[in-house]
Amino acid sequence: GAVVSQHPSRVICKSGTSVKIECRSLDFQATTMFWYRQFPKKSLMLMATSNEGSKATYEQGVEKDKFLINHASLTLSTLTVTSAHPEDSSFYICSARDRGRAYEQYFGPGTRLTVT
Amino acid sequence: AQSVTQLGSHVSVSEGALVLLRCNYSSSVPPYLFWYVQYPNQGLQLLLKYTSAATLVKGINGFEAEFKKSETSFHLTKPSAHMSDAAEYFCAVAGPKGYNKLIFGAGTRLAVHP
Repeated sequence: GAVVSQHPSRVICKSGTSVKIECRSLDFQATTMFWYRQFPKKSLMLMATSNEGSKATYEQGVEKDKFLINHASLTLSTLTVTSAHPEDSSFYICSARDRGRAYEQYFGPGTRLTVT
Repeated sequence: AQSVTQLGSHVSVSEGALVLLRCNYSSSVPPYLFWYVQYPNQGLQLLLKYTSAATLVKGINGFEAEFKKSETSFHLTKPSAHMSDAAEYFCAVAGPKGYNKLIFGAGTRLAVHP
């Protein structure tokens, strides 16, 4: 149980285009999902917290107009990187909090974004 | 405010040797503590967690960690390293009662040599 999927696992896009990454909780309801960014050989940096049915809460320094987050259902959150640039290339990981076990987060396998 | 410090960005051990990965935390409230493992190009897998019950926590793959409030530590150990343990390990803190966001340490890369 407690499986989180991400799609796509890898994406390459041209500079200036937008990319959408999906995060799904497959076998539980996630009232809260989190989006992280990880640079090579670095730790995870929390970008935003996404609550179902409400606006995401962004961490300081994260541009909310560039990283659009939508959490339309209890099993799906999306991160859209708008007008992507090479510096947005990174490993993006989502996690989901089970509403029944609120202290535990389950992580997705990550999405490798490369902007050319 | 909460924070996590992982001492040693790289740890190298021989196969069969003791694994010790250090984690110290800072928290103004009773913390919930976690250890995660990450293999290359993958997400994070929970190894174990401390949620204010037993101070010695056993996790998957033979790992365990001991919560020591007096030392504000939550070190990860495994009696005998296996080649498959080579990975990146992250310590994280949340609180109170784990409802807040996770704060991650910088990570420790474990290398296991034959």
